[in-house]
Amino acid sequence: DTGVSQDPRHKITKRGQNVTFRCDPISEHNRLYWYRQTLGQGPEFLTYFQNEAQLEKSRLLSDRFSAERPKGSFSTLEIQRTEQGDSAMYLCASSLLSQGGEQYFGPGTRLTVT
Amino acid sequence: GESVGLHLPTLSVQEGDNSIINCAYSNSASDYFIWYKQESGKGPQFIIDIRSNMDKRQGQRVTVLLNKTVKHLSLQIAATQPGDSAVYFCAENRWGFQKLVFGTGTRLLVSP
Repeated sequence: DTGVSQDPRHKITKRGQNVTFRCDPISEHNRLYWYRQTLGQGPEFLTYFQNEAQLEKSRLLSDRFSAERPKGSFSTLEIQRTEQGDSAMYLCASSLLSQGGEQYFGPGTRLTVT
Repeated sequence: GESVGLHLPTLSVQEGDNSIINCAYSNSASDYFIWYKQESGKGPQFIIDIRSNMDKRQGQRVTVLLNKTVKHLSLQIAATQPGDSAVYFCAENRWGFQKLVFGTGTRLLVSP
């Protein structure tokens, strides 16, 4: 399977704990995006990388959230001191700069904060 | 699995019917639009896209229509099949900006 992969698929954590999610984009895709989706809503943009550079962050991304893409390939999204309001599906997408906008999504990581 | 869009508008059709899903977008400066299909527990799946210099684009069994005057987008699915049952989202993007802005989804239910 050469699509976007995410790990883990599901994560249950207690409030106050830290969690980290991983995204592996489609090979050779130089752009990588993180979105968050809550029940009944469309995905909301969090941040994006072009290669290893994080070029845009949404105001939704509080200082408890940090994302990295150290070698321009896979990315991690960490949430510190999780809150119940962080419960959502975290989606990763990737695209190729030359393609002009088409983003391919992974299956998501479902986070439940208890 | 996860249920996406518990309170979404719903379109119910019979297998074999044609389906039309509508979307109103918000930003008149948007120049690129995508339709995604999302099944329960899965990420959005690309269906078809269209740029603002076009009014219509056709794919396999799907057609997207763009009316920039009223900022309206529609997705037509021909000969709808039970496997088309999912939540459908439109998304908009503007040149120079990377994020996609998603609209309210529509749940499509196809009865055999």
